[in-house]
Order: sequence, then C-alpha cells, then structure tokens
Amino acid sequence: NAGVTQTPKFRILKIGQSMTLQCTQDMNHNYMYWYRQDPGMGLKLIYYSVGAGITDKGEVPNGYNVSRSTTEDFPLRLELAAPSQTSVYFCASSAGLADTQYFGPGTRLTVL
Amino acid sequence: AQSVTQPDIHITVSEGASLELRCNYSYGATPYLFWYVQSPGQGLQLLLKYFSGDTLVQGIKGFEAEFKRSQSSFNLRKPSVHWSDAAEYFCAVGDNYGQNFVFGPGTRLSVLP
Repeated sequence: NAGVTQTPKFRILKIGQSMTLQCTQDMNHNYMYWYRQDPGMGLKLIYYSVGAGITDKGEVPNGYNVSRSTTEDFPLRLELAAPSQTSVYFCASSAGLADTQYFGPGTRLTVL
Repeated sequence: AQSVTQPDIHITVSEGASLELRCNYSYGATPYLFWYVQSPGQGLQLLLKYFSGDTLVQGIKGFEAEFKRSQSSFNLRKPSVHWSDAAEYFCAVGDNYGQNFVFGPGTRLSVLP
C-alpha cells in the first residue's frame, strides 16, 4: 500500500502566486489533516476533515483553503502566497477518532 | 484548548545508555496522548499512544511511556538507546473529540557512539 502520498515534494513560489498541495490516501480513512512544520518547531494543524464534504479549521488556517470531495483526496490551496507560508507541509490520515495518524513524506514550500 | 511543552530542546546520550524525554500537557479532561518520532527528511511515525487504562504504555522500537495525571506528564523512556534512535521526538495531545491535535515543539536526540 502507498499509504499517504503528497505532491509535489518541493516547490518555490513567488509572492502572490497560488498553488495546490495534493494529498491522497489509500487506506479508506475518514479523517485527514494538514499540518505545517516551521524550522525547529512542532507541527501546527491547519485544517482537518472528518469525512468527505466535511472540513474544519485547525490552529493556523489563515491563508489556506481545503476541500474534501472524496474520501481519498484532501488538497490544500494557497491563494496568495506570502513568505510567512514558507514551511514544510505534512498531510496525515487516520481511521477514526484519536486513532493513529499516518503521515505523508511532506512538501517543502519556499515563498520568495 | 490543550497545550504541550517539551522542556528539553536537545538531548545527547551515549549508545547503550538509558533515555527519558519529558512531556507535560495542559488539558481540562483526560487527554489522548501520543509520542511520534521524525527522522531527518521524513514524516512522523507513531511510537505509542495512551487513551485510557494502564498508565504504562508500551510502544514500538522498545519505547515506553508513563501517564501521570497528578503531574500532567507523559514521559517517554527507553532502557538502552541505539544509534538509530537519533531523531526528533514529538509529544502530542488530542482533545476528547480526537479532532484537534497539538504537538509539542520537539526534542532532538543525538546518540554518541
């Protein structure tokens, strides 16, 4: 099984550009999450979803949007990239309430 | 809202020595507690978790953690560290709804040969 996959692995954006980070899981998990990890810091929750069509804000949602049209996919959208969004982004999924979260390999994003 | 502190930013131990990584949390009810490990350039992998029951939890790779409600702590231990244990370790707490996870800032473990 592939588990949780993320694309792209690396990306450089200019200020004001937009992009979508892709996340797909093949474990039929209901719960999916987006985190960002800044250098030397822990992970901060951006958005999460408890099932297709249901999303909610985490700790740091400003500047991001998400959608969950299918169980498998949970893309994260940056509309107007800012240098403060330079970070490593991790997608994760879990089977249910407080179950183990399985993480993707991450996307390293730089905004210049 | 819950919060997590990991007092030690960086710990260095010799291979074969014992290890304890500290984690303190703040939450009004009984939390869900987790320890994750992150190797360089990798995503996070779950070591162990506590939901309820026995306060001493066994995990993978020989790790264990003990939940102490009176101290609001969930410290991670290993009796004998291996060089491959060098990594970043994160403690995390989830609320009763299991939807909002807060991670600590992490403790970087270095292992001397």
